[in-house]
Amino acid sequence: EAGVVQSPRYKIIEKKQPVAFWCNPISGHNTLYWYLQNLGQGPELLIRYENEEAVDDSQLPKDRFSAERLKGVDSTLKIQPAELGDSAVYLCASSLNSGFNEQFFGPGTRLTVL
Amino acid sequence: GQSLEQPSEVTAVEGAIVQINCTYQTSGFYGLSWYQQHDGGAPTFLSYNALDGLEETGRFSSFLSRSDSYGYLLLQELQMKDSASYFCAVKRNSGGYQKVTFGTGTKLQVIP
Repeated sequence: EAGVVQSPRYKIIEKKQPVAFWCNPISGHNTLYWYLQNLGQGPELLIRYENEEAVDDSQLPKDRFSAERLKGVDSTLKIQPAELGDSAVYLCASSLNSGFNEQFFGPGTRLTVL
Repeated sequence: GQSLEQPSEVTAVEGAIVQINCTYQTSGFYGLSWYQQHDGGAPTFLSYNALDGLEETGRFSSFLSRSDSYGYLLLQELQMKDSASYFCAVKRNSGGYQKVTFGTGTKLQVIP
């Protein structure tokens, strides 16, 4: 069984440029999470989807961040415009459902904003 | 408010036993998870405790005391490959939804 797939693995952009990250969760997993992880810190939730509905986006900086999960499968996280402080690893995770305790994480996208 | 505390770094000798503690303060507590993350890798699930007591899975065990808002991860027969960061994560009820919040992680270094 394939794991959570993310692309790209690395991205370097200049500040004020847009950037997008893509995630393909494990097949059959209804719940999808986007996390931000700074160096030496734990993952911080940005948004959680149940199927195609964003049920928790309270931590998403909506002035510059947006996300979508069309058809309740793949998801895209976008930043526009990027700022220097957005440099971090963006992790996607999925679980069977929100009541399931185990989250399966993808390898992440390491974003560097210059 | 809510908080999660765990030591930032722990060093232990190969073959030994190490305990990584996690104390939490939160409302609507459901349970405590543990994840392992190697440098540059993805977090991987280790365990989940919803009830008081010890859960054992091979060389790893996890303990929870709900009354003390405290848990720990116990790693036995340490191997060099156990060098990684370990995160505790609280699952809680927030606004009718189940929410998971991760701690800042404990970096474990296993030395020969």
